[in-house]
Amino acid sequence: QSALTQPASVSGSPGQSITVSCTGTSSDLGGYNYVSWYQQHSGKAPKLIIYDVSNRPSGVSNRFSGSKSGNTASLTISGLQAEDEADYYCTSYTSRSAHVLFGGGTKLTVL
Amino acid sequence: QVQLQESGPGLVKPSQTLSLTCTVSSGSISIGGYYWSWIRQHPGKGLEWIAYIYYNGYTYYNPSLKSRVTMSLDTSKNQFFLNLSSVTAADTAVYYCARVKAVANWFDPWGQGTLVTVSS
Repeated sequence: QSALTQPASVSGSPGQSITVSCTGTSSDLGGYNYVSWYQQHSGKAPKLIIYDVSNRPSGVSNRFSGSKSGNTASLTISGLQAEDEADYYCTSYTSRSAHVLFGGGTKLTVL
Repeated sequence: QVQLQESGPGLVKPSQTLSLTCTVSSGSISIGGYYWSWIRQHPGKGLEWIAYIYYNGYTYYNPSLKSRVTMSLDTSKNQFFLNLSSVTAADTAVYYCARVKAVANWFDPWGQGTLVTVSS
């Protein structure tokens, strides 16, 4: 079962906006509005930052936003801050036997 | 809020069975609407979903690991468990437990993770 496809790395300067993409198929990401995003700082557990494509859990900054078009979901971080430097992972439900797919992860560097 | 904590041996010998426990506090694993899951992360790599279990004991496994994985739960102790048999060095990873919203499949919260090394 192939993982969802994410760019290996993205970077941006403080104050800028960046977007991380996550590409799947119609059997997973494209077929359901069940995309979630996680932030993982080095040595820490992942933290949910977006669920159901575009919803933010309580306490997550509104600088984080999510969207989806076709088979590609996107995470946008606006007003980049140094503390946003982390790895970001997408996840989707899949109708195939795997049930859960993770993206390969994207390392965000704040320049 | 719900908290999860992994426990188990940090070192397992090749060919043996890796056994981990996740203890859930400030919330019951017996309620519907959520799965209870194991995820692992190989050193320097991405996340890999292993399995999840519903409160009634129904399990879902990653096909790539299904032949070696067993999940179970003990509602009286508010714990769930992972057994991974016939381990090799390739099973060395940080193992996380997490609560999963049923159907929507979002993982929250996560335990802090526990490193399991497979080595003789």
